[in-house]
Amino acid sequence: GAVVSQHPSWVICKSGTSVKIECRSLDFQATTMFWYRQFPKQSLMLMATSNEGSKATYEQGVEKDKFLINHASLTLSTLTVTSAHPEDSSFYICSAREWKGNSPLHFGNGTRLTVT
Amino acid sequence: LAKTTQPISMDSYEGQEVNITCSHNNIATNDYITWYQQFPSQGPRFIIQGYKTKVTNEVASLFIPADRKSSTLSLPRVSLSDTAVYYCLVGDRNGGYNKLIFGAGTRLAVHP
Repeated sequence: GAVVSQHPSWVICKSGTSVKIECRSLDFQATTMFWYRQFPKQSLMLMATSNEGSKATYEQGVEKDKFLINHASLTLSTLTVTSAHPEDSSFYICSAREWKGNSPLHFGNGTRLTVT
Repeated sequence: LAKTTQPISMDSYEGQEVNITCSHNNIATNDYITWYQQFPSQGPRFIIQGYKTKVTNEVASLFIPADRKSSTLSLPRVSLSDTAVYYCLVGDRNGGYNKLIFGAGTRLAVHP
């Protein structure tokens, strides 16, 4: 089945530094990937839609300059949290869809970001 | 955007059948209904997807009435490992699932 891989699975960084999270579709091409964040005991919140070769579309309230998204190829999207602060600590999850008419979204296993 | 409503939590015991119902009154003609399972600190895992009537796979069944305003996920003979959060989502599969929005989900606890 389709596999979406996220890296790293967890990361700890200091305030003010930037962190890059990778999302890869391992055995299929994904023209569109989605980035979510999830706080403890809460549901997933859509942050942005990442489109291959074009600018990402951000949801209302999500700062595009803080959460930089790059979707440079059909199998890779990256999310960079810039100038991280403790309030950015969260669980970040990406998802991707095979470009087939009958396929569901597949999710990565998430990245736990802790900003100290 | 079609929104979904599910019970916040459910309790069950090992070996029982569990049915989780989701309301999606504003579902659009092109929307499919998809259910995901999520364990702590993991990404959601696909369970089942359907458009109408009944769909069954090796882990679950999905029942969708004719008006499609609700759906029911049925888990036969649950075990402790089925303790998780279950999400019901609706989205336009052929449209690339633009802006797929998660509801609160149902937290299922399976007891010995």
